[in-house]
Amino acid sequence: EVQLLESGGGLVQPGGSLRLSCKVSGFTFNNYAMTWVRQAPGKGLEWVSAVTGGGYSTYYADSVKGRFTISRDNSKNTLYLQMNSLRAEDTAVYYCAKDRREGRPYSFDYWGQGSLVTVSS
Amino acid sequence: QSVLTQPPSVSGAPGQRVTISCTGSSSNIGAGYDVHWYQQLPGTAPKLLIYGNINRPSGVPDRFSGSKSGTSASLAITGLQAEDEADYYCQSYDSSLSGSVFGGGTKLTVL
Repeated sequence: EVQLLESGGGLVQPGGSLRLSCKVSGFTFNNYAMTWVRQAPGKGLEWVSAVTGGGYSTYYADSVKGRFTISRDNSKNTLYLQMNSLRAEDTAVYYCAKDRREGRPYSFDYWGQGSLVTVSS
Repeated sequence: QSVLTQPPSVSGAPGQRVTISCTGSSSNIGAGYDVHWYQQLPGTAPKLLIYGNINRPSGVPDRFSGSKSGTSASLAITGLQAEDEADYYCQSYDSSLSGSVFGGGTKLTVL
C-alpha cells in the first residue's frame, strides 16, 4: 500500500523558515518524481515544486523560486521542502504527491494528507 | 489568475451529464502536454481522476471521461451521483514556466 506522510508544518513568523518532510512507503521511491502542491485556505490547488526520481533536476513555481528548496533522500524514502523567507501568502496546506513518472512533473497519483503551514506574527 | 481556465461552478441533477472545460494556451495544452484531472472532496486530499487526457486509474468509475482538443480539455461525468459533489481541477505542464500548472478549480453541485 502506497503511503505518504507529511510532517513539519506549524506556525512561523514572516521572514522565518520551516522544513517539511514527506516519508513514503509502498513503492520504489527513486523510480518516481515527487512534487509539492499547496492550497491556501478556501482557495484552489497551486503546484509548488518538483524533483526528479534521481534528485538531479528540480522545478519551482515562480512564486517560491529563490526561497524554497526541494530535495530528496532516496536512502530514507523521504522528500523535503525547505521554506525560507516565508510570507503571509505562503499560508496553506502543503501536500506531497507521487508522480506517475520519473522525469519532469507529469501527473500525481498518490497524495499525502497535507501539512498546514501558517505564516503570521 | 490561473494559467489554465476552468468555470468556477457547474451543476446538474442526479443521473444527468455534466462537462467541465479547461482552457490553456500554446505553451501548455496546445503544445501537446497531457492534461490530468483531480477530484477533491471537502476536507480531503485531491484524488487523480484522469491522466494522460483520457486514462482512468484503476478504481475510477467509467462515468468519468476525459478529452482534449487543441488548447482545451474537458472532463465529462455521466450518471451524476450525490457523491460526485466536489471540486475538480485540471493540470498540465507549461513550457514557458518550466513547471506544472493547475486550473482554478470547478465546484460541482449535484442538485
